[in-house]
Amino acid sequence: EAGVVQSPRYKIIEKKQPVAFWCNPISGHNTLYWYRQNLGQGPELLIRYENEEAVDDSQLPKDRFSAERLKGVDSTLKIQPAELGDSAVYLCASSRPGEETQYFGPGTRLLVL
Amino acid sequence: GQNIDQPTEMTATEGAIVQINCTYQTSGFNGLFWYQQHAGEAPTFLSYNVLDGLEEKGRFSSFLSRSKGYSYLLLKELQMKDSASYLCAVRDKAPQAGTALIFGKGTTLSVSS
Repeated sequence: EAGVVQSPRYKIIEKKQPVAFWCNPISGHNTLYWYRQNLGQGPELLIRYENEEAVDDSQLPKDRFSAERLKGVDSTLKIQPAELGDSAVYLCASSRPGEETQYFGPGTRLLVL
Repeated sequence: GQNIDQPTEMTATEGAIVQINCTYQTSGFNGLFWYQQHAGEAPTFLSYNVLDGLEEKGRFSSFLSRSKGYSYLLLKELQMKDSASYLCAVRDKAPQAGTALIFGKGTTLSVSS
């Protein structure tokens, strides 16, 4: 089966600019996660979706970050405006109901100048 | 608070055995995961432990002691391609599909010939 797809793979922007990331989870995976991974750190959860509902967004900086998962499949994560500290890898993962394993996409590497 | 500790770096030679330790202190416990992450790539699932004991999967084994808050990943017959970061992750909430993981910072393993 095809894996989690993310685009773009790399993005360089200037601070205060907006940026958006896209994720297409594995077919049939109802749960979708967005994680942020800083250099030398493990991934940290930003938001989790069950179908189209955001069920855990407690770690999402809501003043500048937003996410949506229309129709419960693809998802977008947006930052507006971006700050220097947002430079990181943004990982999308998905899982199937009843299964323990989360499958990760290749990530979007963001550099804010 | 939530805390997951693992060594930052380890080195080993081809053909050897290496053990990567992980200790955790979390508000709850509902499973421990090990992921492998090559530089610039997505984390990939290696193992899952929810009960005490050893889980073996080919050259990789993972052990869990819930009373000690301790796990290790054992890699046998090391190969150069095993050079990667190994992430320990704990699910602290109830075992329902889609609960997010709390990751450690990862252990960078370097295998030399």
